[in-house]
Amino acid sequence: GESVGLHLPTLSVQEGDNSIINCAYSNSASDYFIWYKQESGKGPQFIIDIRSNMDKRQGQRVTVLLNKTVKHLSLQIAATQPGDSAVYFCAPLRGPGNQFYFGTGTSLTVIP
Amino acid sequence: KAGVTQTPRYLIKTRGQQVTLSCSPISGHRSVSWYQQTPGQGLQFLFEYFSETQRNKGNFPGRFSGRQFSNSRSEMNVSTLELGDSALYLCASSPGFSYEQYFGPGTRLTVT
Repeated sequence: GESVGLHLPTLSVQEGDNSIINCAYSNSASDYFIWYKQESGKGPQFIIDIRSNMDKRQGQRVTVLLNKTVKHLSLQIAATQPGDSAVYFCAPLRGPGNQFYFGTGTSLTVIP
Repeated sequence: KAGVTQTPRYLIKTRGQQVTLSCSPISGHRSVSWYQQTPGQGLQFLFEYFSETQRNKGNFPGRFSGRQFSNSRSEMNVSTLELGDSALYLCASSPGFSYEQYFGPGTRLTVT
């Protein structure tokens, strides 16, 4: 089956610094990936997605890099702000329909 | 546009009882997915419904079931509750033609 591992369960960064959250996946057939952000007491919120025919995608202050060779993704957050404090999940798509695999996520804490 | 709503937000049940959780998707969305979130296992996919039909199912025992109504509202049921069923149950809706999912705030179920 699929497994998803965030390299670090927790990450602390100083406000203004850049954050990098890494994710490894196991299924080489995964061809679509979504990053979600979950703030305390809320459901996950879509941040950015990337398809397997891309190796980089940029959004507002976020960049996702995909390395299919080693089955690895990273989410980079520029100029991290206190509002970025949350749990981040990478979710590869597997199978028909909306069947995504999540893991336990990485908890990002921004230090003011 | 109103977001995904879930009721109730909090629930306390006793082992052996059954419970029904409700999810109202975003208007126009035809796909509803359910997830269980626990600290140890993270976010795990339960099942997905599209146009009243179960389209995908995760690896959960038969005690977990769901259904979707013609107005796309969905319910999930857990019978013979166990202590390990204590979790945050999240519902996510999608238009059905894209993979982007919109999550509700979840129902916090505590089994004593």
